[in-house]
Amino acid sequence: GDSVTQMEGPVTLSEEAFLTINCTYTATGYPSLFWYVQYPGEGLQLLLKATKADDKGSNKGFEATYRKETTSFHLEKGSVQVSDSAVYFCALSAYPSGGYNKLIFGAGTRLAVHP
Amino acid sequence: GAVVSQHPSRVICKSGTSVKIECRSLDFQATTMFWYRQFPKQSLMLMATSNEGSKATYEQGVEKDKFLINHASLTLSTLTVTSAHPEDSSFYICSAMGDRDTEAFFGQGTRLTVV
Repeated sequence: GDSVTQMEGPVTLSEEAFLTINCTYTATGYPSLFWYVQYPGEGLQLLLKATKADDKGSNKGFEATYRKETTSFHLEKGSVQVSDSAVYFCALSAYPSGGYNKLIFGAGTRLAVHP
Repeated sequence: GAVVSQHPSRVICKSGTSVKIECRSLDFQATTMFWYRQFPKQSLMLMATSNEGSKATYEQGVEKDKFLINHASLTLSTLTVTSAHPEDSSFYICSAMGDRDTEAFFGQGTRLTVV
């Protein structure tokens, strides 16, 4: 079945460091790919998405490129801030085989950024 | 983005009792709502999908008689954990999607502890 694998955390970085969180997926068909962020005490928020191969999603300095050849959607940011500390989830939408917006999540990666 | 409110944020209940969790879309009509659960250090797992006015569709392995879902209106879905046991202790989170939206918006989640 469809699945998402992302790197285990926690990831601990100093402020202004470069961030990469790896995400790979297995899916039949052509899924859409997402990164969600969960700040402490809050629900998940959509960070960025890409709906087809070679698309690049970007938001708040974060970027991820949909790589069909490597089935990857790695999250990157050039210079992290303390306020980026959160849990990051990679996800795919299994539409059409799984229904529109039926999301399959990775296990989440906790990011801690220190001053 | 749109707002989804989930209540309560935390609940502790005795084994054998039932607990109801509410999920409300505050500023849009949610034709579809999703319920997830998350065990510690694991990913969110989809439990069921509900459409307003119809019976929920449960994922394989989820007991529909134990996890009762009601989506009686376009702004409210409830999840009732019946005869709760300690193994039901988990983080439950809902998401809601409007009719033509491509994004599902998440509630803040409910931490259920059964003692």
